Amino acid sequence: EVQLEESGGGLVQPGGSLRLSCTASGFSFSIYWMSWVRQTPGKGLEWVSNIKGDGSEKYYVDSVKGRFSISRDNAKNSLYLQMNSLRAEDTAVYYCAREEYFWNGFRGMDVWGRGTTVTVSS
Amino acid sequence: DVQMTQSPSSLSASVGDRVTITCRASQTISAYLNWYQQKAGKAPRLLIYAASRLQSGVPSRFSGSGYGADFTLTISSLQPEDFATYFCQQSYSHPFTFGPGTKVDIK
Repeated sequence: EVQLEESGGGLVQPGGSLRLSCTASGFSFSIYWMSWVRQTPGKGLEWVSNIKGDGSEKYYVDSVKGRFSISRDNAKNSLYLQMNSLRAEDTAVYYCAREEYFWNGFRGMDVWGRGTTVTVSS
Repeated sequence: DVQMTQSPSSLSASVGDRVTITCRASQTISAYLNWYQQKAGKAPRLLIYAASRLQSGVPSRFSGSGYGADFTLTISSLQPEDFATYFCQQSYSHPFTFGPGTKVDIK
């Protein structure tokens, strides 16, 4: 079964750091782009970052540039999000998602984890 | 960045109704538009990719249309399990932005 499972969320003080992990199973992890998407309580979805299968390309939303870093370990079928200098507005449920590449650049997030909650508060 | 808007922000409908949700991009995005369904407490589910292509396993009552900057998601006959929030998302350029969502609830 194709699955993604996030871990590493928790309560952290403003200015602190946290590392999220996402473990994949049931598919060839190394060939897929992977994304992190977050959702604030009762609010909408915000794409945060993604990374190419071989790790050679990475992109971020402006609000996390310089603070968050995405990485992956294909030998461990794992995706990571290192979050530094955390702010209250980073409080959210963080999902990892697989990007399916359909054709001609068309891509969509077709497999999602259940999410892990990050709370930034003093 | 490409900004995405949706209308309406919420709607009330009955089982069997035809429902249409609109998504607009701040610039042309060709057909690089996806639709997701999210139920309370659950992760989003990909319904439509490339503006009009039905994801595997998604019922045929869902359909998408549009090109450029204006897009539509249609549910031809609303079923009880379709009450949820729907989001559009562009994959034309980074950052991949989502629309604010449309909540569909029971009339």
